[in-house]
Amino acid sequence: GENVEQHPSTLSVQEGDSAVIKCTYSDSASNYFPWYKQELGKRPQLIIDIRSNVGEKKDQRIAVTLNKTAKHFSLHITETQPEDSAVYFCAANLGFQKLVFGTGTRLLVSP
Amino acid sequence: EAQVTQNPRYLITVTGKKLTVTCSQNMNHEYMSWYRQDPGLGLRQIYYSMNVEVTDKGDVPEGYKVSRKEKRNFPLILESPSPNQTSLYFCASSRRTDGFNQPQHFGDGTRLSIL
Repeated sequence: GENVEQHPSTLSVQEGDSAVIKCTYSDSASNYFPWYKQELGKRPQLIIDIRSNVGEKKDQRIAVTLNKTAKHFSLHITETQPEDSAVYFCAANLGFQKLVFGTGTRLLVSP
Repeated sequence: EAQVTQNPRYLITVTGKKLTVTCSQNMNHEYMSWYRQDPGLGLRQIYYSMNVEVTDKGDVPEGYKVSRKEKRNFPLILESPSPNQTSLYFCASSRRTDGFNQPQHFGDGTRLSIL
């Protein structure tokens, strides 16, 4: 089955810096890779997703890149702000609508 | 408002006392799923359902049951809860379109403590 590894487990940056979170997956058939943000005590919320037919997708300060050959994908957050502080989860699909999640990255943005 | 509603939000109970966590969505989504979230382990799928009367095991189904008698509801049943099922549980739903995965919408979570 699918296995998703996520690094780093914690990431501390200064406000305005960039943050990068990396994930690798094992199943070459995976073709959908969402990223979720979870604030303390809240539900996971989708922030961006990418499908295997594109290599990069951007939404304002957030971007995701996908390297199918190497089976890894990354989340890039530019110009970080304190409100970006949260736990971020990557995921990869196993077939239709079965998602396997990474173990999460706790991002702390200091003012 | 489009939402996934879970009840209860918090529950403390004892070993062996059957409990049900309800999940309801108002978006007419075909797909629904249950996850548990434990520190350091991320979100792990318990069961999922592709449509009414169609359910399948996820990665950690032991000790849980589900049913999908109506499209909007997907209850999670713990027949004989044990302390290792103490966790934060999330229900999620999404549309189902052939050939493409769709974003999942999560409920607010249910924190279960089993003593």
